[in-house]
Amino acid sequence: QVQLVQSGAEVKKPGSSVRVSCKASGGASASLAIGWVRQAPGQGPEWMGGINPMFGTTIYAQKFQVRLTITADKSTNTVFMELRSLTSDDSAVYYCAKPPYYDRSGPFYFDLWGQGTLVTVSS
Amino acid sequence: DITMTQSPDSLAVSLGERATINCKSSQSVLNTSNNKNYLVWYQQKPGQPPKLLISWASTRESGVPDRFSGSGSGTDFTLTISNLQAEDVAVYYCQQYYGVPRTFGQGTKVEIK
Repeated sequence: QVQLVQSGAEVKKPGSSVRVSCKASGGASASLAIGWVRQAPGQGPEWMGGINPMFGTTIYAQKFQVRLTITADKSTNTVFMELRSLTSDDSAVYYCAKPPYYDRSGPFYFDLWGQGTLVTVSS
Repeated sequence: DITMTQSPDSLAVSLGERATINCKSSQSVLNTSNNKNYLVWYQQKPGQPPKLLISWASTRESGVPDRFSGSGSGTDFTLTISNLQAEDVAVYYCQQYYGVPRTFGQGTKVEIK
């Protein structure tokens, strides 16, 4: 049974960066495609992008194109999401999630989610 | 970007009754090459990540009770919860995967009347 386990909560200053990890366990393939979704308090989810380590490809929502980087470490079955130049608007729960399908346009939808990582941006 | 608009924002339904949630996309999410609608429904309870209920607009995921059903095509979709149970209290979201970025509706909160 594949599980996605994310790193712990973070508190960051405006202008800084945050890096959240997502480790796949329970027999997961080292090439597990992963997407990232964030959810601000009381808001709907927001799709950020994804990575397919099998093909070494990433895709980002245009909104995050400049300040988001998603990488994967196949040796540890871990995917990382780094968001730079943080503002208070980036305060949210960040989720990694597994798509059952992934093509050139990115992850389709998600059938397995991590537990979420709360990122708080405050001076 | 494809905008997903859900209605209503919230609804209260008596136990055992039917809840109907609508989702409208700003452009069609029907892929005419395979005749599939690129739309899913999620259920989210407080403090939990979303849970996938229905994919391809009407295909119920394994383990999801059959009181949950999805319908619609093109730009207009519906999630129906028949025989509402107490454990169905949650926020429900639609999401399209036809365009990039993938986009979600704003959510519909279902409560017990």
